[in-house]
Amino acid sequence: DIQMTQSPSSLSASVGDRVIITCRASQGIRNDLGWYQQKPGKAPKRLIYATSTLQSGVPSRFSGSGSGTEFTLTISSLQPEDFATYHCLQYNTYPYTFGQGTKVEIK
Amino acid sequence: EVHLVESGGDLVQPGGSLRLSCAASGFNLGTYWMSWVRQAPGKGLEWVANINQDESETYYLDSVKGRFTASRDNAKNFLYLQMNSLRAGDTAIYYCACRWVTSPATDLWGQGTLVTVSS
Repeated sequence: DIQMTQSPSSLSASVGDRVIITCRASQGIRNDLGWYQQKPGKAPKRLIYATSTLQSGVPSRFSGSGSGTEFTLTISSLQPEDFATYHCLQYNTYPYTFGQGTKVEIK
Repeated sequence: EVHLVESGGDLVQPGGSLRLSCAASGFNLGTYWMSWVRQAPGKGLEWVANINQDESETYYLDSVKGRFTASRDNAKNFLYLQMNSLRAGDTAIYYCACRWVTSPATDLWGQGTLVTVSS
């Protein structure tokens, strides 16, 4: 199975901060990576697929980059509604595997 | 408006069985690959199963192979997950989802249904 190592597991940030979350795959996954946002008690919501394609309706302050084994999610200017947990997902190979999640908290 | 609504979650003893349902409304579920994704209490997300439109292809998490079976009734607009030989480690909220991986369309998730495996 492909292991997805996500870091950090949590971070504290202020509104307006730039936030970067990283996912590393245990083997190459081309660009078959997505990012999901989840708020407490709610289902996940997709932000990005194919590494860098923004889901329709997702604010442009979210961006994704990377290829192969290293991927990043960047929030250029953190907003109050962005405090949530973020998950990466590889879908290159079955079984699909998620990272452990990154909880973004208010500083 | 489009919706997915799961049901069937319950408290079940180890070794027991449960069938989860996922009802689609506002769209034709038969158009899409469908998935089950779970989340143990306080833990991360875990993909469980994928099923294609005509049930000719199914894929499962290794730990549920041989115990869980995904199926669908496109005429009724329903997705199912038959869960047998349940273990404590299967305790989780189970979500059904579609358009959530590679589709350019907006992803669609249910609200989740809680399965608790405990004696």
